[in-house]
Amino acid sequence: AQTVTQSQPEMSVQEAETVTLSCTYDTSESDYYLFWYKQPPSRQMILVIRQEAYKQQNATENRFSVNFQKAAKSFSLKISDSQLGDAAMYFCAYRSPNFGNEKLTFGTGTRLTIIP
Amino acid sequence: DTGVSQNPRHKITKRGQNVTFRCDPISEHNRLYWYRQTLGQGPEFLTYFQNEAQLEKSRLLSDRFSAERPKGSFSTLEIQRTEQGDSAMYLCASSLWVNPNSPLHFGNGTRLTVT
Repeated sequence: AQTVTQSQPEMSVQEAETVTLSCTYDTSESDYYLFWYKQPPSRQMILVIRQEAYKQQNATENRFSVNFQKAAKSFSLKISDSQLGDAAMYFCAYRSPNFGNEKLTFGTGTRLTIIP
Repeated sequence: DTGVSQNPRHKITKRGQNVTFRCDPISEHNRLYWYRQTLGQGPEFLTYFQNEAQLEKSRLLSDRFSAERPKGSFSTLEIQRTEQGDSAMYLCASSLWVNPNSPLHFGNGTRLTVT
C-alpha cells in the first residue's frame, strides 16, 4: 500500500517570503499522480496543484510550484510571496492509476502560519 | 456549480445510536468519495462510488458503516451503534472522472461527536 509522509507538522513564514513544504511517498508503481490540497480554517479542502509522475516538468500554478523528484519519491510544495490567505493545513496526496484503487491517500498535513 | 453540500454540519449523538449523513455532489459528477478526518490527521479513505456502484471500500469501514448512492446522485453514510471512536469529521468529495488526474471537490464536512 502506498504511504505519504509529511515530516513538518507546522511551518511558519513571514508574509511575502517563500516557504517550502516537504512530502515524501512510498510506492512500487511507476505511474501515479500527486496532489497538494489546502484546508483553510473553514475546513473545505481545495486543490492547490497536481503533478503526473510521467511528466518531468514541475507543475506551477501562479505562486505555487512543486519540486518533483521521482527517484527520491519527493514532492515538495513551494509557495512564493506568501500571503495571509495562504494560512491553512496543507495535505500532500497520492493516487494510483489502477482501476479500483484510485482513492487519494493523504499525508498527515502541515499547518502553515503566515506572520504579518 | 454550487459545490458539494453536506448535511448536517454538526451531529451530536449518544453512544449506541444510529446516525446518517447526506452528501449532495456537484451535479453531473460521476464519482463520490467519503473520507474520515480526525483532529491533527489527514483524511482517511472510507469508500467511493462511480455513479451508483460502490467500487472500493476501506478496511477501516466496519460492518457498522454503510454507504449508498441510489440513482448515482446524492449519497448517504450511515453509522449504526455509534462508538466514541467514531467521533470525527466526515468529508464527502465528488469528481468528474476523466482520468486519475481529475481533482476531488470537497464539501465542508459533517462533524460527529459521540458522547
